[in-house]
Amino acid sequence: KQEVTQIPAALSVPEGENLVLNCSFTDSAIYNLQWFRQDPGKGLTSLLLIQSSQREQTSGRLNASLDKSSGRSTLYIAASQPGDSATYLCAVSKVGGANSKLTFGKGITLSVRP
Amino acid sequence: DAGVIQSPRHEVTEMGQEVTLRCKPISGHDYLFWYRQTMMRGLELLIYFNNNVPIDDSGMPEDRFSAKMPNASFSTLKIQPSEPRDSAVYFCASSSQGGYYGYTFGSGTRLTVV
Repeated sequence: KQEVTQIPAALSVPEGENLVLNCSFTDSAIYNLQWFRQDPGKGLTSLLLIQSSQREQTSGRLNASLDKSSGRSTLYIAASQPGDSATYLCAVSKVGGANSKLTFGKGITLSVRP
Repeated sequence: DAGVIQSPRHEVTEMGQEVTLRCKPISGHDYLFWYRQTMMRGLELLIYFNNNVPIDDSGMPEDRFSAKMPNASFSTLKIQPSEPRDSAVYFCASSSQGGYYGYTFGSGTRLTVV
C-alpha cells in the first residue's frame, strides 16, 4: 500500500526566504506526482505535475523535482511571499485499473511572515 | 471549461437525515473520484469510477455511504442515515487517460451533521 509522508507538518518562514518542501513515498512505481495548494476553507489547486518520465517541472517561482528511485519529491519556492501561505499537498498516482488513484500526504502548512 | 462542479458548497443537516452530494466532472474525463478530507485523517479516497463503472469502493466507510454515476457527466454520493462523524469536506475530482495529465478537483462540499 502506497504511503506518502510530508514532514514537517507546519513551517513558518520570513518573507523573501527560499524554501524547500519535502515529500516521500514508499512505492517507487508511480505514474506521476502532483503538488497541490489548498487555502483555508478552499479546494485544491494544482501547482505542478511531474510525469514519471520527467525529473522536474517549473512554474514561476515554483520548481518541483522527482527522484523515483529514492521515493522523494521536493517543491522549491523562491523568494517566498505572504501570499504563499497555504497548505501544500503532495500526491502520487499509478495508472490503470484499480491503481488509477491519487494517494495524498497530510500536507505542509506554510506561513510566510511579512 | 468550467472545471469540476460540486453542489452544494455547504450542507448542514440533522443526524439521521439523508444527504446527497453532487458532482459534474470535466467533459471528456473518464475517471471520477470522491475524496473526504478531515483534520484527523487528511484526504481519503472513498470511491472512484472509470467510464461510469465503480472500480474501487474499498474506501467507503460503511453501508450508509453509496455512490452512483448514471452517466459521464454526473455523479452522486449519498449518505443515509447521516451521523455527526460524517462531518467533513467531500471533494470530487476527475481525470483522463488514467491521470496522465493530472487530476482536477472541485471546490468541495462542506458537510456538517448536527
